[in-house]
Amino acid sequence: ETGVTQTPRHLVMGMTNKKSLKCEQHLGHNAMYWYKQSAKKPLELMFVYNFKEQTENNSVPSRFSPECPNSSHLFLHLHTLQPEDSALYLCASKGDTQYFGPGTRLTVL
Amino acid sequence: AQSVAQPEDQVNVAEGNPLTVKCTYSVSGNPYLFWYVQYPNRGLQFLLKYITGDNLVKGSYGFEAEFNKSQTSFHLKKPSALVSDSALYFCAVRDPSPRNRDDKIIFGKGTRLHILP
Repeated sequence: ETGVTQTPRHLVMGMTNKKSLKCEQHLGHNAMYWYKQSAKKPLELMFVYNFKEQTENNSVPSRFSPECPNSSHLFLHLHTLQPEDSALYLCASKGDTQYFGPGTRLTVL
Repeated sequence: AQSVAQPEDQVNVAEGNPLTVKCTYSVSGNPYLFWYVQYPNRGLQFLLKYITGDNLVKGSYGFEAEFNKSQTSFHLKKPSALVSDSALYFCAVRDPSPRNRDDKIIFGKGTRLHILP
C-alpha cells in the first residue's frame, strides 16, 4: 500500500463515452503525475502537476483532459477515445521518490 | 539525451540461485537511480534508490543494487531468488539538477523476471 489510490480499478468504455479516472493521495505531496502503460512499451509520462499547476503535457491528444482541483486529487477526463488508448493508467505522487497507485485498467471498445 | 536501458526483456532464474537484472543509463551529471517492481494488476512499487555514498544499496525484499559510475550501470541483484520475486522490474533515473524542475523520472522498458521452482 503506497498511499496513492485510484478509482476505478477497471473501466470498459465505448468510443463515444465520457468517463473520468480519479487519483487521490494524502501523503502531503505537491507533485502528481499521470502515466500510460501499454503492453511491451515503456512507461509513458502524460501529464505533470506541480502545486496544482500543469507543468508538463507530453504531447498527449486532447481526448485526454487532466484536472487537479487540489494537491490531493488528480483526475483524467476521457472523451471519444480510440481502441489504441486501451492501457493501464497509473497515477503517481512525488515525495522522496515517486509513489504509484494501483492503476486503472482501461479497455476501449 | 537522458535514457535508461534494460537489455533483457526476460530473465529466468532457478529458485535459490542468485539473480541479476541489468540496467545502464545515460544521464549528464550525477543521477539519482531507482528500481521499481510491478506485480500483476498492480502499480509500481519502489524497491531501492541510489543518491550518493556507498555504491552498494540495499532495498526491500532482500534486493540490492550496485552503482558503477565508470560503466554507467545500476544492476539489481539478490543472493537467493524466491518464486515470489517473479514480477516486472523497472530501472529508472532522475536528473537532480534544477533543470528537471518537475523531478521527472525516466523509466526503462522493464525486465520480466521468472523464478522457476
